[in-house]
Amino acid sequence: EVQLLESGGGLVQPGGSLRLSCAASGFPFTTYVMSWVRQAPGKGLEWVSTISGSGANTYYTDSVKGRFTISRDNSKDTLYLQMNSLRAEDTAVYYCVMREAAADLAFYCWGQGTLVTVSS
Amino acid sequence: EIVLTQSPATLSLSPGERATLSCRASQSVSSSLAWYQQKPGQAPRLLIYGASTRATGIPARFSGSGSGTDFTLTISSLEPEDFAVYYCQQRSSGSITFGQGTRLEIK
Repeated sequence: EVQLLESGGGLVQPGGSLRLSCAASGFPFTTYVMSWVRQAPGKGLEWVSTISGSGANTYYTDSVKGRFTISRDNSKDTLYLQMNSLRAEDTAVYYCVMREAAADLAFYCWGQGTLVTVSS
Repeated sequence: EIVLTQSPATLSLSPGERATLSCRASQSVSSSLAWYQQKPGQAPRLLIYGASTRATGIPARFSGSGSGTDFTLTISSLEPEDFAVYYCQQRSSGSITFGQGTRLEIK
């Protein structure tokens, strides 16, 4: 059974930093593209970032470019999101998501999410 | 950036009725469109990918259709557990975007 367990969320002041982790199990992690998707309170879904299976290729939505860094440690089956220079508008639940190539790279399996609150 | 516009924003129906949800793209996304269901306090769940293929374990009452710019999610006969928010999503462009969602509520 695929499991994605996020951690690292919490309350941080504007301008601060936070690192999210996502521990994956139940599938061959190194072969899967992974993404982060966020959802502000009461709002819709927003794609944040994607990383290839090897980690060589990364992609970001414009609003986080230069501030967020996605990475992975395939030896630990873990995905990361380093978030710097945080803003109030980054407040959201952050979901770790497995992408399935055989399903048109759809967001196939989601973690339960971790809440990041940026506030003074 | 490709904008996805979902309609209606809210759909009020009764169990057993047919639901038709629309998603329109600002430019062609070919068939690279997916649908997700989200219930309160839960993560989204993939329903449909490639515009019309049901994901594993998704009941046959859910179907997707369309290509290019106009897409539809149909629920043939609503079950009580189907009342939720539904999102469409495209990956045709360099970035990925979601629609704003359609809330399906019990009438």
